[in-house]
Order: sequence, then C-alpha cells, then structure tokens
Amino acid sequence: DADVTQTPRNRITKTGKRIMLECSQTKGHDRMYWYRQDPGLGLRLIYYSFDVKDINKGEISDGYSVSRQAQAKFSLSLESAIPNQTALYFCATSDPGTGGRRANYGYTFGSGTRLTVV
Amino acid sequence: SQKIEQNSEALNIQEGKTATLTCNYTNYSPAYLQWYRQDPGRGPVFLLLIRENEKEKRKERLKVTFDTTLKQSLFHITASQPADSATYLCALDPAGGSYIPTFGRGTSLIVHP
Repeated sequence: DADVTQTPRNRITKTGKRIMLECSQTKGHDRMYWYRQDPGLGLRLIYYSFDVKDINKGEISDGYSVSRQAQAKFSLSLESAIPNQTALYFCATSDPGTGGRRANYGYTFGSGTRLTVV
Repeated sequence: SQKIEQNSEALNIQEGKTATLTCNYTNYSPAYLQWYRQDPGRGPVFLLLIRENEKEKRKERLKVTFDTTLKQSLFHITASQPADSATYLCALDPAGGSYIPTFGRGTSLIVHP
C-alpha cells in the first residue's frame, strides 16, 4: 500500500457542486498539506496542518476548506466548485525532525487527484 | 518578492552523459534546499536535501551543490539513463522551523538512448 493515498484518482464535477478530496497516510507524520499544481505555475500550497488541532491557510485557500479527522486523515473540500479550480491536487506529509534538528528528508506526496470542473 | 527560477526549457541529453539542472533564487535566504523528481501525472518524489552550511551532497548517481553566495543550486545526474527522464523540482525551506518549502516550477529532463 502507498504511504499517502488520495481518493478519488480522477473526478469530473459540475460548476457549483460540493466535492471532497480525501487523503490518508501511514507514515505516522503529524504534518499534512494540500497543494494544487497547474501547468506552468508549479505547486501552490492550499492548506496545511501541523497536528489535528492546528490548521492553517496557505497561499491560495480561498474557495477551499479542510478537515483533519485524525492524525492520518486530511480532507480538502471545494464548497462550490468553479472551472478555474480544475487542476491536479496533491496531499503530502512531512516529519520535521526532532531535537530542533531538521530531518534529512522532505515531503512524501500522494499520487494526486486530477479534478476537472465543467 | 521571493523568486525561484528553474529553466522552463527542457534539457535534452544523450544517455551516458551528465545532466546538470539549475535552481536560482532571489530575495530569499533558505536554510535548506530540496530536489524532487516528478513523472507525468504523478506526485513528486523526494530525492535529496542539502543544508545551507553544506556545499555538496551525493546519493548514488546524484549530486547537489548549494551556493548561498551565488543563490544557486546545481543538480547533477551522472551516467544518465532514459529512465531518468522526468521533471525535476527544487524547493527552498526557510529558516525558522516551519519547514514549509516554496517549490520551483521544475525543469523537464529528456535522456535520449
């Protein structure tokens, strides 16, 4: 099984519909993130969570909301989908390290959800 | 404003040669720099992390350098293979402990047999 699992893998939805993208992880990491990727724009941070009770907006949070149901689960919702939210969405986890020293590794990403809003 | 620049043009090289990709940044003082590989339609995969006080890091056929004076990182793949063809992203972590990186847009590498 993958360390970070995203569902669904692909989704087509209509403008105005509410949609939820789900992410679960088996890494045991406290930190989880949602990114979107658009051609030519790279990865942009939507929301991040450092633990179950700590949720923060990223650079492009408007139109999105999140829920951290457990350490292992972090869901992204589009309350009323619009066509410019068509993108590839990635969930990621990280372990910042211990004792004030950053870990020697980076994020673990899921395989992504390709969302199309028509 | 902070800016991370990776060559938007694809790098085409012959199998067996060394591929060198560049990551430049401005208005930024990262404490850590990461490199990821991304295949089409897939999530990025972490490759290497280098700290600001490290000049060079190696892992198998990969080598990363980090020059904080030039504000540049170079990513080398020696003895490149067609299987190395992918997009490579650099990501810069700020100092301060949040460890939330800013990603570059990536450079596509195509290795021809």
